Amino acid sequence: GESVGLHLPTLSVQEGDNSIINCAYSNSASDYFIWYKQESGKGPQFIIDIRSNMDKRQGQRVTVLLNKTVKHLSLQIAATQPGDSAVYFCAETIGGTSYGKLTFGQGTILTVHP
Amino acid sequence: NAGVTQTPKFQVLKTGQSMTLQCAQDMNHNSMYWYRQDPGMGLRLIYYSASEGTTDKGEVPNGYNVSRLNKREFSLRLESAAPSQTSVYFCASSVLINTEAFFGQGTRLTVV
Repeated sequence: GESVGLHLPTLSVQEGDNSIINCAYSNSASDYFIWYKQESGKGPQFIIDIRSNMDKRQGQRVTVLLNKTVKHLSLQIAATQPGDSAVYFCAETIGGTSYGKLTFGQGTILTVHP
Repeated sequence: NAGVTQTPKFQVLKTGQSMTLQCAQDMNHNSMYWYRQDPGMGLRLIYYSASEGTTDKGEVPNGYNVSRLNKREFSLRLESAAPSQTSVYFCASSVLINTEAFFGQGTRLTVV
């Protein structure tokens, strides 16, 4: 999950394993959440999003789960591959006039070993 | 289709110098954003433009100004650079406010 300070959480997995990356978001009013992947030297890349009226959303090899009760978001990556190694960020935003102000978490470093 | 293009990719400035970071998108997006990324702190929103002709402050606007030159271009200006502004700057755009944002490759800025 998220941590305070300069050290990002890390997750190391073997190729082919499933990965779960967690994120605790801060604002109970947030109603739109996005997971981004950032490879070294590149900008964040959209992976999957979910709105607060859903608990689960699936994409290709990825699933996002949302638990609004405990303000928790997770990203599950099936059959993790070395190309999945990156920093993963969750982002949240609130509806109405605050739309567009995505608040990013600190990120989790995923390392996939062949 | 280039997506979001930022220039320059790298820049070193002396304290007190000014510069403008350029951003252009070719996806006909309405909304554009400037973020900074510091180690261990994720991305923080500096300014955003919900649509052409409008700009609003984000989380960390102090020391920056922006211009939404037209629908395609959104520039970020540092009037008097400070070492605390050493960071990686990302421009992003989205079809509408609060939809999927596409990011540029980033500008690594060092202020000495």
